[in-house]
Amino acid sequence: RKEVEQDPGPFNVPEGATVAFNCTYSNSASQSFFWYRQDCRKEPKLLMSVYSSGNEDGRFTAQLNRASQYISLLIRDSKLSDSATYLCVVNSGGYNKLIFGAGTRLAVHP
Amino acid sequence: DAGVIQSPRHEVTEMGQEVTLRCKPISGHDYLFWYRQTMMRGLELLIYFNNNVPIDDSGMPEDRFSAKMPNASFSTLKIQPSEPRDSAVYFCASRSGTQETQYFGPGTRLLVL
Repeated sequence: RKEVEQDPGPFNVPEGATVAFNCTYSNSASQSFFWYRQDCRKEPKLLMSVYSSGNEDGRFTAQLNRASQYISLLIRDSKLSDSATYLCVVNSGGYNKLIFGAGTRLAVHP
Repeated sequence: DAGVIQSPRHEVTEMGQEVTLRCKPISGHDYLFWYRQTMMRGLELLIYFNNNVPIDDSGMPEDRFSAKMPNASFSTLKIQPSEPRDSAVYFCASRSGTQETQYFGPGTRLLVL
């Protein structure tokens, strides 16, 4: 079983739609959780950290369920510029060992 | 501010040749990471340094791979001899000890023929 599992997609949604991505992780000792965004042929960039109480950044909302070892990302009012691959990231053994999921691809169309 | 700088951006070489990838972390960052990304295996941590000292190299695939960090502003990842299965995008990332966020460089696309 992979340490971090994501639905690879692609998710094809129209502009303005709400879309949700899910991710599960296997290491119950993980303490830090993130969503990174990677555009085609570019480097990954931090989208947002995920906190136990859930957190929101504009149109993006992240949730963490430690009991189920489950992380989610909700994108409201999708824009064309949201088209990218979204990587679920969990730490393993301290801040420095990040385990990346394979990514979920999102395509927003007009 | 300059981000993480990597060179070369693209490298095409023949099997058996030595390949050297270079990275300049963000100034003031004391952690440096080397990752490899492939379609099959995704993004994997190869090795990371703290204050120029290698801390964990358990992700380095085999002895053909080596990494050095001679000073705080420069690191290399060397593959000798290279093989076609080493073809991938190699990312360097850095972070400050006071933050969780890792900042990635643009990557080096390596193709070994």
